[in-house]
Order: sequence, then C-alpha cells, then structure tokens
Amino acid sequence: RKEVEQDPGPFNVPEGATVAFNCTYSNSASQSFFWYRQDCRKEPKLLMSVYSSGNEDGRFTAQLNRASQYISLLIRDSKLSDSATYLCVVNGNRGSTLGRLYFGRGTQLTVWP
Amino acid sequence: DAGVIQSPRHEVTEMGQEVTLRCKPISGHDYLFWYRQTMMRGLELLIYFNNNVPIDDSGMPEDRFSAKMPNASFSTLKIQPSEPRDSAVYFCASSNYRASTDTQYFGPGTRLTVL
Repeated sequence: RKEVEQDPGPFNVPEGATVAFNCTYSNSASQSFFWYRQDCRKEPKLLMSVYSSGNEDGRFTAQLNRASQYISLLIRDSKLSDSATYLCVVNGNRGSTLGRLYFGRGTQLTVWP
Repeated sequence: DAGVIQSPRHEVTEMGQEVTLRCKPISGHDYLFWYRQTMMRGLELLIYFNNNVPIDDSGMPEDRFSAKMPNASFSTLKIQPSEPRDSAVYFCASSNYRASTDTQYFGPGTRLTVL
C-alpha cells in the first residue's frame, strides 16, 4: 500500500467554484501534514501545513482526521491562478524515516473562465 | 536566502554519457533530498542525507546512480552511464529538521533528456 493516496483528477471547475481534494495516508505515526502546490514545469512549493484542529489561509481550508487517516483541502471561490497540481504530503516520523516526507501523486486542478 | 540552487537547469546528453547534477541547499538546513519526477511514476525519492551522511538510498534505481554530499553546502547526483529511461526532472530539496520542521524546500529542478 502506498504511504499517501489521492485522487489524481483531473478536476475541471469554473471560476468561483468550490472544490475539495482528499487524501489518505497509511502511517498512523505521522505527525506532520502538508499540502504542496506544483505548477506546470515548476518545483513543488508548500501551500500550507495541516494542523489537527484544521486551519484556514484565505480561500484555502485544510482538515485532518487522524482516526480515519484522512486529509482534505477545500478551495473556495476558485481563481484561474489556482490551476495547478496539489500534492498531499505526510512525514515519516519513525526510526529510519525521520526527516522524510511522503508525497502523493497529486490532484490536477484546472479552473476555467 | 537564495533558496535551493540546482545546476544545470537543462541537460541534453547522449546515451552512455556521464551526467552530473549539482545542488546547493539552503544554508543551515541539515537534510538534503534528491527526487526524480516523471509523468508515469510521479515524484520518487532517490536518496537523502542528514548532516552530509546518506540515510536511505533505497530509491536509487541501480548502480549507475550515485550521490555524494562532501559538505553541508553541496551535493551531486551522478548517472554513469546514462540511458534514455533516465530522462526526467530531478529535484533537490532541503529541510531544517533541527528547527523542528519537516517542511522541504525544492530547487527549480534539472530537466534531463537522454537521447
């Protein structure tokens, strides 16, 4: 089983729409969770960390459900500039995997005018 | 800070040639990671270092790949001999685990094409 699994999409939504991405992770010992964003032909960049209580950054809301080992990202009022691939990321946090992050395959989002 | 620096940004070479990719991590970071990304396989971790020491190289595809980190500010990934299936984008990333954060910062990548 892969460490992180997410729906690859693609998601095609109009401007102004609300879209949600989900992912699941297999390592119950993971303590750090992130969403990264990757634009076409660019490097992945940190979008936001995900905290246990859930957190919001402008139009972006991240949620974590430890019991179900499930992470979500909600984007409200989508903009054309949100078009990218969104990567779900968790840390290793045990023994030989300390310091390591596990990346999902990414969910592709296209926002159209 | 300049961020993670990688060179070259693009490399086109012929099968059988040696390829060397270079990375300068963010100053003060204690972890360095080499990834490879392709459409088919996504982002794959090849090897990572902690305080210049290789921790896990299980992702290195085969003996043709080698990586070194001679000091805290420089790492290389070498492919010898290169093959067309090595064509991919190679990313270097670094993190500052001493600061109790796992966040990794990526360089712009090296786009490798092996003909």
